[in-house]
Order: sequence, then structure tokens, then C-alpha cells
Amino acid sequence: GAVVSQHPSWVICKSGTSVKIECRSLDFQATTMFWYRQFPKQSLMLMATSNEGSKATYEQGVEKDKFLINHASLTLSTLTVTSAHPEDSSFYICSARGDASYGYTFGSGTRLTVV
Amino acid sequence: QQQVKQSPQSLIVQKGGISIINCAYENTAFDYFPWYQQFPGKGPALLIAIRPDVSEKKEGRFTISFNKSAKQFSLHIMDSQPGDSATYFCAAIRSSGDKLTFGTGTRLAVRP
Repeated sequence: GAVVSQHPSWVICKSGTSVKIECRSLDFQATTMFWYRQFPKQSLMLMATSNEGSKATYEQGVEKDKFLINHASLTLSTLTVTSAHPEDSSFYICSARGDASYGYTFGSGTRLTVV
Repeated sequence: QQQVKQSPQSLIVQKGGISIINCAYENTAFDYFPWYQQFPGKGPALLIAIRPDVSEKKEGRFTISFNKSAKQFSLHIMDSQPGDSATYFCAAIRSSGDKLTFGTGTRLAVRP
């Protein structure tokens, strides 16, 4: 089946630094990738949608200059949290969709802690 | 505006019992309804999904019941096991769109 690899699984960084999270589709071409944020005991909140080779579309309220998304190839998307602050601490999850309209596969998530 | 409402928020079931989670949607354009299972510290994984042209779909111990007229669908877990303890999310999507709309999640605990 479709597999999405997300790295790192957890990261601790100092306030003011930037962190990059990678999301790779291992056995299919991901025409669209999605980035979510999840707070404890809450549902997934869509942050942005990215199509390969295009600029990401951000959801309302998500700072595009703070959460930089790059989808340079059909198998790789990255989320960079710039100038991270403690309030950015959260669980970030990517999802990839191939050609099948309903085929969404999620990564294993990244726990970001900003100290 | 939340388009998919999910209940209950949490559920405790004894081993061997039936777990039932309900969802209701508003947008009649939705035409695919997946359920996801999420363990702590992991991403969601597709459990089972249904399209509105059928009223029920069963895969092993997991069954989705779908009521198109009421705009409701539910997940039934038969013979619930401690390993089923996780958070379950219902979701909905339009074939013409590309965003999953998630429910708020149900934390299931199955007691031994």
C-alpha cells in the first residue's frame, strides 16, 4: 500500500530557530500534499495544501511567512517553521494524495517542542 | 463552520462489547466518508470508508452504517479489543474538492 514517510518524528529546538520537517511519498507520486497541525486531544487542523511545482495554498489564519511549504517534486514536500516560538509547539502531520481522488495517506507525524 | 459533527467525545467499552461512534454532516456534496484510527504519537490511518450509494460496509469487526436522508453515518466496532483503544476520526470529502473535513474525534478506551 501507499506509504508516506515523515521525518523527524520529534524535534526540540530553541526559540528563534527554524525547523524543517520532511514528508516523502515512498511508492507513489503525490500530486497534492497537505500539512496539518494537531493540538492535544483535538482534531487535525489543515494548515496548507501544496501541489507539486506550485505555491502552497494556506488556510485562513495560517501565517505563510512563518510556515514555509515547498513541494519541489512529486515525492517530497517540506514544512519549515521559521523563527519558532513556544506557541508553535505542536504535532505536525503531512498527508499525500496520488492520482486516485480519494487516496489519502498520512505520515507518522512530527512532535515539535520549542523551548 | 464545522461541517462534520462527531459524538461521543470519549467512549469506554468493555472487552468484547460493541463500540459505536456517530457522525453527522451538513454538506450534501460530500460523497466519500472515511474513518481514521489514530494511536498516540502517530498519524491517522485509514480504517474503512463508504460512499453514499450503499447503506452499509463491513470489513472484519468494523462496520460503517450510512443514512443518506439523515446525513448521518456511524462506525461500529464489534467484539472490541484493548488494542482498539485509540482516537477515531470520521471525515468527509467531495469528489470535486480535495480537502478532508474531519470530525472532532472520539477517544475510545476498551477495558480488559
